[in-house]
Amino acid sequence: GAVVSQHPSRVICKSGTSVKIECRSLDFQATTMFWYRQFPKQSLMLMATSNEGSKATYEQGVEKDKFLINHASLTLSTLTVTSAHPEDSSFYICSAGGGESYEQYFGPGTRLTVT
Amino acid sequence: DAKTTQPPSMDCAEGRAANLPCNHSTISGNEYVYWYRQIHSQGPQYIIHGLKNNETNEMASLIITEDRKSSTLILPHATLRDTAVYYCIVRAFGNEKLTFGTGTRLTIIP
Repeated sequence: GAVVSQHPSRVICKSGTSVKIECRSLDFQATTMFWYRQFPKQSLMLMATSNEGSKATYEQGVEKDKFLINHASLTLSTLTVTSAHPEDSSFYICSAGGGESYEQYFGPGTRLTVT
Repeated sequence: DAKTTQPPSMDCAEGRAANLPCNHSTISGNEYVYWYRQIHSQGPQYIIHGLKNNETNEMASLIITEDRKSSTLILPHATLRDTAVYYCIVRAFGNEKLTFGTGTRLTIIP
């Protein structure tokens, strides 16, 4: 399957600061990228869908001004958690799609800890 | 997309076949059955998908009942590395979104 990378794999930040997470599709052009959040012992929850060159579509209950998503190219999407709080601590996972079979390929995830 | 029901956990002896059931009784005609798994602290990994015919690849086999209301993922010779949470997802063709349920936590026992 296709390869999707995320950077960083782990990040610790102080409350009130902003953190940017990158998601890259390494071997194919992803017209659509997805961002998920996963709290301990819970399932993945879709946060938003981003299409290259257009604004992201956020799921109900996800604050678009807090979780800024940019999908500037077919291989890169970024998620910025602004003014992070301890409750934003979670495992953030991106996926990339756009192939003929509508497959999604997932990144390895980024563990964010806000102190 | 149709909802799915999976047992919360299962154990399987190493080397034996692991059979993971999934109920999707409200599935529509244009909806596919997808299986992903998530090993601890990693991103999900695609396993297999199908519409109505049984499917097999290098990782697993997918058996879909004739009425399409349930399916079974089969890992033919389970290894310790197959310990993971397995998600059964029903998704309409053309819909790129994946909605994850709670999945089945499969533990392979030495």
